[in-house]
This record gives sequence, C-alpha cells and structure tokens, in this order.
Amino acid sequence: AQSVTQLGSHVSVSEGALVLLRCNYSSSVPPYLFWYVQYPNQGLQLLLKYTSAATLVKGINDFEAEFKKSETSFHLTKPSAHMSDAAEYFCAVSDLMDTGRRALTFGSGTRLQVQP
Amino acid sequence: DVKVTQSSRYLVKRTGEKVFLECVQDMDHENMFWYRQDPGLGLRLIYFSYDVKMKEKGDIPEGYSVSREKKERFSLILESASTNQTSMYLCASSFKRDGSDTQYFGPGTRLTVL
Repeated sequence: AQSVTQLGSHVSVSEGALVLLRCNYSSSVPPYLFWYVQYPNQGLQLLLKYTSAATLVKGINDFEAEFKKSETSFHLTKPSAHMSDAAEYFCAVSDLMDTGRRALTFGSGTRLQVQP
Repeated sequence: DVKVTQSSRYLVKRTGEKVFLECVQDMDHENMFWYRQDPGLGLRLIYFSYDVKMKEKGDIPEGYSVSREKKERFSLILESASTNQTSMYLCASSFKRDGSDTQYFGPGTRLTVL
C-alpha cells in the first residue's frame, strides 16, 4: 500500500504571500495524484489532479501543483494567498488494492491559515 | 452538478446501538466510498463498492459493514456502536474504475457515540 506524507499539519501565511503545501508519496510507478480542499463544515472538493499528462497541473482558484517523479513529490502552490483560501488541504494518491481495484490513500492534511 | 447527500449532518448514539449512515448520489456513478476523518489522521477508507451488491474492504473495516442494494445508495452500518467510532464520516462517489477519476464528496456526518 502506498503512503502519502504532508509536511506540516499547520501552515500560516500572510494575505498576498506565496502558499506552498508539501506532499510526498511512496510509489515505484507513476501514480494518479490529487489535491482536495475542505472548507469548514463541508465535504472535500477537488482542487486539481495529475493523471500522466502535463507535469504542471493547474487547478481552481489559481492553485497549481508540479509532479516531480525523481523527488516523488506533488507540492501545491498559489502565488498570492487570499483570506478565502483558509481551509484544510489533503493530498491523495490512487492506490492499487490487493483485489486489483483502485482507491485513494490520503495524507493527514494541512490546515492553512491566512493572516490579514 | 454532481450531488452526494448524506442522511444526517449530526448524529448522537449510545454505545451498543445499531447505526445506519445513508449516502445517495445522483450521477449514476459506479463507485461509492465510505471514509472516516479524524484530526491528524486524514481520511481513512472503511469500505468501497464498485457495483450494486459488490463491496470491498478498505483500510479500517473492523466494526463496520455496508450495503449497496441500488446503484445510487450506499449505506454504512455500525452493528454495535462504540465510543471509538465517534468521528466524521464522509461518503464519496466516482465514475471510472481506473482510479483517475475525481471523487465527489458529501458534506459528512459527525457521529458521536456516548
């Protein structure tokens, strides 16, 4: 089974500053990778995903992530943080189960705070 | 717009009670999933289903069972609730079986077992 590591359970940035949320996965084959966001009292929604096309993936709300196979990383960035970006962010990898079916394995999440 | 609905936002049950959590999706998705979400642990997969009447165990199936009698509905059952099952439960659905597809999530059910 794969594992997903998100460095930093809490990240705080100032409004207008760069956002960088880190994600590393364990996989010997190119995986499918996802970033989801969870706003307070809501379910998760997809920000962006990598499915073996371009290594730089653009998502909603100016977020983007770069797949780096050599580093087994899929870090999430946004050039300029907005107050509305305050949420919890989850990195996930599509994992092959013992039965041959695929399911997502999630990281432990990073809570982003945006200071005015 | 895909919609995944869960029967309750908040639920309080007593130890030993049988608990049903219902999830319905309206997009004819093949796959449905149940996760529990705990602080610092992210989401952990309990069970998933890739077809009607089919189910597969996820990472933490102990103490849970599921039922999928119709394509749009996936139920999570706690046969005898225990306090360590107090958690947020999230349902999701997706279309493809190759793992590349987006999962669409419901709003979650926060279950408290006293």
